[in-house]
Amino acid sequence: DSGVTQTPKHLITATGQRVTLRCSPRSGDLSVYWYQQSLDQGLQFLIQYYNGEERAKGNILERFSAQQFPDLHSELNLSSLELGDSALYFCASSPTSGPGAFFGQGTRLTVV
Amino acid sequence: TQLLEQSPQFLSIQEGENLTVYCNSSSVFSSLQWYRQEPGEGPVLLVTVVTGGEVKKLKRLTFQFGDARKDSSLHITAAQPGDTGLYLCAGGLGDYKLSFGAGTTVTVRA
Repeated sequence: DSGVTQTPKHLITATGQRVTLRCSPRSGDLSVYWYQQSLDQGLQFLIQYYNGEERAKGNILERFSAQQFPDLHSELNLSSLELGDSALYFCASSPTSGPGAFFGQGTRLTVV
Repeated sequence: TQLLEQSPQFLSIQEGENLTVYCNSSSVFSSLQWYRQEPGEGPVLLVTVVTGGEVKKLKRLTFQFGDARKDSSLHITAAQPGDTGLYLCAGGLGDYKLSFGAGTTVTVRA
């Protein structure tokens, strides 16, 4: 158990819909990262927050957004969903603003 | 296009054999990490290397960071079935984005 909690574990939704994925980092970790993992693209960095502020951005689509709240939990919002958005979405946390090291178990999103 | 190229893509060996996985790039990284991921789980950090030429040992696992900080290798001695999994290397870039390789799927047969 990494100490990073992600909910829900599985999510099935229709195209065009909007979903929110939630992440609770390890206790004391200020940095939260979001990654997308698909079979054809591998693990792709989406975005990083550090102590409530956006720190780095990767290949995140404009339809996707994230935020980190004062209690340090984070949410990833995915809207206007397409079939190609089906993937595993991972959250990771670390105590510093350096590369994230501790991953949650992921949310498997299936868009039908 | 992956910034980090891992080879081989698949590796199947018998218990007790040794194996090496490679991670190569044309970019220089500030740090390099190795993870192991099992089906349905998130990647688990094995090691972080930050200094060119650095060698780290973790029981039967030996990690090496290239002198120019562009490549790395993971060597497993006397592999066991419990070593089975997807091994991922990840390079830390200046603004802390982690770039992952596509991974090497290792299967150790009992």
